[in-house]
Amino acid sequence: KNQVEQSPQSLIILEGKNCTLQCNYTVSPFSNLRWYKQDTGRGPVSLTIMTFSENTKSNGRYTATLDADTKQSSLHITASQLSDSASYICVVSAPYSGGGADGLTFGKGTHLIIQP
Amino acid sequence: NAGVTQTPKFQVLKTGQSMTLQCAQDMNHNSMYWYRQDPGMGLRLIYYSASEGTTDKGEVPNGYNVSRLNKREFSLRLESAAPSQTSVYFCASILVAGGHREQFFGPGTRLTVL
Repeated sequence: KNQVEQSPQSLIILEGKNCTLQCNYTVSPFSNLRWYKQDTGRGPVSLTIMTFSENTKSNGRYTATLDADTKQSSLHITASQLSDSASYICVVSAPYSGGGADGLTFGKGTHLIIQP
Repeated sequence: NAGVTQTPKFQVLKTGQSMTLQCAQDMNHNSMYWYRQDPGMGLRLIYYSASEGTTDKGEVPNGYNVSRLNKREFSLRLESAAPSQTSVYFCASILVAGGHREQFFGPGTRLTVL
């Protein structure tokens, strides 16, 4: 069964510190892995997408890594800000097959709190 | 572009009451989805519509019905609400580009069933 496991479930860090969130998956075949940020009371918004051939991708202070061999991804946040407080959801996709819902596997998310 | 919009934002129902959650997207996407999000459970797929005129069950369809009214609109109906349906409901539409899918989510509807 395809699964996406995220760790930690929750994390509290001080403003200005760095942190790393983990995502391990068993989805096969693999097409891509996407990290979403979900602010409290809002819908998830895409941060980055990683395909099989990509190891690292940055979006401002967010850097995602992917190791397709070990089926692991991480999201590193540098110099955290209060606005980074949110849930971060890892979603792994199988190859697209024409509109069906098959092949989108969601992690349960990491709840990140940045304290001043 | 409003993206994906949902109404209402909040709703309180009594057990047994019915209601319809509305969703619309103005991005001309073919596929639309309904999810529920519960603490510790993550997002779970209720129903989806791959294209106008088609709908299919997801992981947790019991107690729900859907209608794909046209390409823009996809509604979710609770015929007889139960406390177990207390949740936050998200509608999403999908952009397919370069063989990859990106979901665009609405702001959510927070539903409480007493």
